Amino acid sequence: NAGVTQTPKFQVLKTGQSMTLQCAQDMNHEYMSWYRQDPGMGLRLIHYSVGAGITDQGEVPNGYNVSRSTTEDFPLRLLSAAPSQTSVYFCASSPQGGGYGYTFGSGTRLTVV
Amino acid sequence: SQQGEEDPQALSIQEGENATMNCSYKTSINNLQWYRQNSGRGLVHLILIRSNEREKHSGRLRVTLDTSKKSSSLLITASRAADTASYFCATEGDSGYSTLTFGKGTMLLVSP
Repeated sequence: NAGVTQTPKFQVLKTGQSMTLQCAQDMNHEYMSWYRQDPGMGLRLIHYSVGAGITDQGEVPNGYNVSRSTTEDFPLRLLSAAPSQTSVYFCASSPQGGGYGYTFGSGTRLTVV
Repeated sequence: SQQGEEDPQALSIQEGENATMNCSYKTSINNLQWYRQNSGRGLVHLILIRSNEREKHSGRLRVTLDTSKKSSSLLITASRAADTASYFCATEGDSGYSTLTFGKGTMLLVSP
């Protein structure tokens, strides 16, 4: 049981490049979320999904796209990277909303130069 | 916007002492959760307390919740050096599709 797996662990992008951060969970969790963590800012919600085919925006969605074609996978796409997207990105999953703890991946550290 | 605000921002204690961290939030909640993050790692769920609960225990952890004051506290008893980490409170709202909203965290340093 691997939990939540994020790849890659580290990535350096040039401004304007695109990339996809991968997130997969093997716990059959319905809820999945993407957060970014910046120094002094805590974690901020980017996008979330309450099940396959359903996604919604969080607090800071601009510059990011998501899709949820399967229960297991929830990729985060940066269409045109900007230095402001330099951050540590965490994917998390939960059985459902309302009373369950979230399981987090180990994070992707992204630097945009 | 941030829902929870932890206090203090940083806490330094000796092994064996108790550590208390506080969290305040702004809107009504379904539950409040505490997470630990070791440096450079992902977050680990510690404990969840529902809005109709006032106190909860798990090992050396004790969490209280006061919904009238919109505040919670996390007490770690008999701290160990391995407890050194950042601690975050997170709230889950009580309407619609609930998501977790995090505070900025408390950095705890436990010295041997």
